[in-house]
Amino acid sequence: DIQMTQSPSSLSASVGDRVTLTCRASQGISNSLAWFQQKPGKAPKSLIYAASSLRSGVPSKFSGSGSGTDFTLTISSLQPEDFATYYCQQYNSYPLTFGGGTKVGIK
Amino acid sequence: EVQLLESGGGLVQPGRSLRLSCVASGFTFNNYAMSWVRQAPGKGLEWVSAISGSGGSTYYADSVKGRFTISRDNSKNTVYLQMSSLRAEDTALYYCVQTVAGDYWGQGTLVTVSS
Repeated sequence: DIQMTQSPSSLSASVGDRVTLTCRASQGISNSLAWFQQKPGKAPKSLIYAASSLRSGVPSKFSGSGSGTDFTLTISSLQPEDFATYYCQQYNSYPLTFGGGTKVGIK
Repeated sequence: EVQLLESGGGLVQPGRSLRLSCVASGFTFNNYAMSWVRQAPGKGLEWVSAISGSGGSTYYADSVKGRFTISRDNSKNTVYLQMSSLRAEDTALYYCVQTVAGDYWGQGTLVTVSS
């Protein structure tokens, strides 16, 4: 099974900060990676697919990059509505696997 | 607009069975693989199972293999998750998800396994 490791597990940031989250796969997954945002009590929402493709309707402040084993999600200017938990997921092979999540909190 | 509406959750005793349903709308259902993903209270996301658009291929997490069965009825735009031999550790919010890349998610249905 492919293990997905996200770092950090949590961070505190201020409004307007540029934030970069990291996701690492235990083996190469090409660009078969998605990023999700989840707010408390809500279902996850897709932000990025194919490592760097922005889902329709998602603000351009979100961007994804990477290929193979190392991936990043960047939020260019953090806004109050961006405080949430972010998950990565590989869909290169079964079983599909998620990272443990990064909780982005307010400093 | 894509909509996924789960149902069938509830309180069930260990060892018993439950069937979840997810009715989809807003897209050509049989063109898309569908997944179930769960989230235990206060925990992260765990992929459970997936099924191809035709229903001919199915996939399971090791934690549910042999106990859960995914199926779909393309005439009803519905995907199912038959869960048997339920355990306390199956307690979670179960989400229905369009595609393996998680394009769209339902709001989830809560399954609680407890005596």
